[in-house]
Amino acid sequence: SQKIEQNSEALNIQEGKTATLTCNYTNYSPAYLQWYRQDPGRGPVFLLLIRENEKEKRKERLKVTFDTTLKQSLFHITASQPADSATYLCAHPMDSSYKLIFGSGTRLLVRP
Amino acid sequence: ETGVTQTPRHLVMGMTNKKSLKCEQHLGHNAMYWYKQSAKKPLELMFVYSLEERVENNSVPSRFSPECPNSSHLFLHLHTLQPEDSALYLCASSQDTGAGYGYTFGSGTRLTVV
Repeated sequence: SQKIEQNSEALNIQEGKTATLTCNYTNYSPAYLQWYRQDPGRGPVFLLLIRENEKEKRKERLKVTFDTTLKQSLFHITASQPADSATYLCAHPMDSSYKLIFGSGTRLLVRP
Repeated sequence: ETGVTQTPRHLVMGMTNKKSLKCEQHLGHNAMYWYKQSAKKPLELMFVYSLEERVENNSVPSRFSPECPNSSHLFLHLHTLQPEDSALYLCASSQDTGAGYGYTFGSGTRLTVV
């Protein structure tokens, strides 16, 4: 079955550094990947989508890469701030359908 | 507010109760979804509606019953739930079901079954 793997351990970094989160997927090559941010007690918020023919996508301090050979997406936050502390979720469609499946997320903690 | 409103935010119910969760969006989206989020587990897709028609019922027990009376409203009717059904229930909408549209989620209903 398809699976999305994200590091379950929290990532703890100093303010101003670049945070890099990893999303690995198995058994299927999705046409696109999405990244979301989730704060405690809230629903996820859509951040970025990257398609399989795009190697990199940027939005302000965010950058996402998509390596179809490694079956991996990396999510970078440059010049990180304490306000970036949250859980970040990776998602992709199941099979060739529209149904999105999600990883368990990686919690990011940015120390001031 | 994100554009998707869920009520109530918190709900405690007994195993013999009947209750309903409500979701409302005025984004003009054509697709709406129910997801379940349990602690330490990924979001689980429960139901998908496209243009008010149910297009997916992801092997969800019959004690969960969705209803989509129009493109702006989605309900999840609950009855005779089990304690393991306690979770955060999230509603989401998207412009359409295909082409990789990002989802807009509500804040969720934190459900506790006692």
